[in-house]
Amino acid sequence: DSGVTQTPKHLITATGQRVTLRCSPRSGDLSVYWYQQSLDQGLQFLIQYYNGEERAKGNILERFSAQQFPDLHSELNLSSLELGDSALYFCASSVDRGKTDTQYFGPGTRLTVL
Amino acid sequence: GEDVEQSLFLSVREGDSSVINCTYTDSSSTYLYWYKQEPGAGLQLLTYIFSNMDMKQDQRLTVLLNKKDKHLSLRIADTQTGDSAIYFCAESPSYNTDKLIFGTGTRLQVFP
Repeated sequence: DSGVTQTPKHLITATGQRVTLRCSPRSGDLSVYWYQQSLDQGLQFLIQYYNGEERAKGNILERFSAQQFPDLHSELNLSSLELGDSALYFCASSVDRGKTDTQYFGPGTRLTVL
Repeated sequence: GEDVEQSLFLSVREGDSSVINCTYTDSSSTYLYWYKQEPGAGLQLLTYIFSNMDMKQDQRLTVLLNKKDKHLSLRIADTQTGDSAIYFCAESPSYNTDKLIFGTGTRLQVFP
């Protein structure tokens, strides 16, 4: 158990809908990262937040957005869902002490878009 | 580009050693990581190596780093059936040390 929690574990929805994925980082971790794992794209970095502010952006679509709240939990919002958005979405967290940091991953949320 | 390459499959007999290879892209990457993903589960950090090291050993795991060839390997000694999983290498590129670039993953199958 990494200490990172994600809810829900599974999510099934229809095209065009909007969903919110939630992540609670390990106690004391200030940084939260979101990743998408799909069969065709592999594991891709989406976005990072540090202490409430966006820090780095990866291959995140404009239909997707994220935020980190004062209690440091984070939410990933996916809108206008398409079939191709079906994937496993991981959240990771780190203390953020700079270059010695390592990321610890949650169990993921499996999103199925029908 | 950002392609971190791994072979897709590896099959070994229980008790033998497994060697999983990875070729990464950024010669200035500060840290290189190995993650394990069991079926239906998230990613588990196995080990990592700092770029100024050639080797790191952690119990049954040995990581070898060849910076000149940008080649990383993970050796699992005395491989057990519980080691069956997908193994991902990942690099932390110098242009954004907060980002991880993952390889395609190697599916390790251990048979009795």
